[in-house]
Amino acid sequence: GQQVMQIPQYQHVQEGEDFTTYCNSSTTLSNIQWYKQRPGGHPVFLIQLVKSGEVKKQKRLTFQFGEAKKNSSLHITATQTTDVGTYFCAGPYDMRFGAGTRLTVKP
Amino acid sequence: ETGVTQSPTHLIKTRGQQVTLRCSSQSGHNTVSWYQQALGQGPQFIFQYYREEENGRGNFPPRFSGLQFPNYSSELNVNALELDDSALYLCASSLAGGFEKLFFGSGTQLSVL
Repeated sequence: GQQVMQIPQYQHVQEGEDFTTYCNSSTTLSNIQWYKQRPGGHPVFLIQLVKSGEVKKQKRLTFQFGEAKKNSSLHITATQTTDVGTYFCAGPYDMRFGAGTRLTVKP
Repeated sequence: ETGVTQSPTHLIKTRGQQVTLRCSSQSGHNTVSWYQQALGQGPQFIFQYYREEENGRGNFPPRFSGLQFPNYSSELNVNALELDDSALYLCASSLAGGFEKLFFGSGTQLSVL
């Protein structure tokens, strides 16, 4: 079945540094979604990417969907302590989630 | 806040018991999906209900069952609880039988002793 793999599993950064997480699929995806889960919280929808090569920005967050629609990335510029949490990508159909990238930020 | 509510928030059961978890979907959403999230893991899809019918199922045994009611609220039932069933159970609502833009509730933390 469809699998989405995320790397890295963990990322620890100093506040102000950039952060990137990558999501890869073995099959072409019709769309991909990104969610953020704060410690002790529940996943919160961030964005959906649909088009090949699509790039979307939300303030300091930049989301990309690969040309082949098999990979995606989330980049955070100048991290803040409020960015702490686990970032998940999820494919369509049964919304299979990746294992997530846990981001910690040192003030 | 998403408008998706789950109850109870925490639950402790013993092995072999049965449990029912409840979820009220966001207003206007007719689709409810259930996920199991073990500590440190991503959410694992259990099943989805759309218009009171099961609309897809993940790799979970039949002792995991569900219902959806005419008002689109939903229940997740787990029979013969096992220790490995201890997890956060998340309900998510969405539109029209899809898996787009899921709105999650805060979850039910189930502990099986």
